[in-house]
Amino acid sequence: NAGVTQTPKFQVLKTGQSMTLQCAQDMNHEYMSWYRQDPGMGLRLIHYSVGAGITDQGEVPNGYNVSRSTTEDFPLRLLSAAPSQTSVYFCASSYRSGFGYTFGSGTRLTVV
Amino acid sequence: AQSVTQPDIHITVSEGASLELRCNYSYGATPYLFWYVQSPGQGLQLLLKYFSGDTLVQGIKGFEAEFKRSQSSFNLRKPSVHWSDAAEYFCAVGNAGGTSYGKLTFGQGTILTVHP
Repeated sequence: NAGVTQTPKFQVLKTGQSMTLQCAQDMNHEYMSWYRQDPGMGLRLIHYSVGAGITDQGEVPNGYNVSRSTTEDFPLRLLSAAPSQTSVYFCASSYRSGFGYTFGSGTRLTVV
Repeated sequence: AQSVTQPDIHITVSEGASLELRCNYSYGATPYLFWYVQSPGQGLQLLLKYFSGDTLVQGIKGFEAEFKRSQSSFNLRKPSVHWSDAAEYFCAVGNAGGTSYGKLTFGQGTILTVHP
C-alpha cells in the first residue's frame, strides 16, 4: 500500500496562475480532507469529503475548489493563486470518523 | 462549532523527565479525540485516539492520554522523554455524527524541545 500520495512535493507559482494539487489514496477510505499548515496556526481545514460526490467547506475554503469523482482521488484546485496561499498543504484520508486520518507527506507551495 | 486549544506553544524538558501536553476541546457531544506528532519537514503521524470506553488510552512510542469529560481535556503524557521525542504535537477533535461528520479540527500545536 502506498497510503496517501501527494503530488507535487514542491511548487512555485506566480500570482494569478492556477494549478491543481493531486491527492490519491489506495486504502479505500471514504473520508478525505485538505489542510494547510502555516507557522503558529496549526492545521486549518480547507475542504473535506465523506464520499464520492460529497464535499463540504472547512475553515478556510476561499480561493480553493475541490471535487470527488472517485473514492481514490481528491484534487485541490487553486483558481488564481495569491501570495497568501503560500503554505504547506496536506491531504489526509480516513476509513471512518473514529479511526483517525492518515496524512500524506505534503506539498510546499510558494506563490510569488 | 468544534474547536481545540493547546495552551502551550513551546515546552522544554530534560531527557528522562516526565511530560504532559495540554489539550482542551469544545464540542457539543462525546467527541473523537486524537494526538498527532510531526517531526520537522514530515507529515503527521497518529499517536493515539479516543472515541469510547476506557478514558485512559495508550498509544505508540510510550505515550498515553486521558479523556476528562468534566474538564473538556485530553492531555498527552509520557513518563520519561527521549531526545527523539522532540517534535511538534497536535491535538485534534473529530465529529462522531451530525451534519459535519468526517470533519477533523486541529489545535495550534505544541513544540517540544528536549535538552540532553
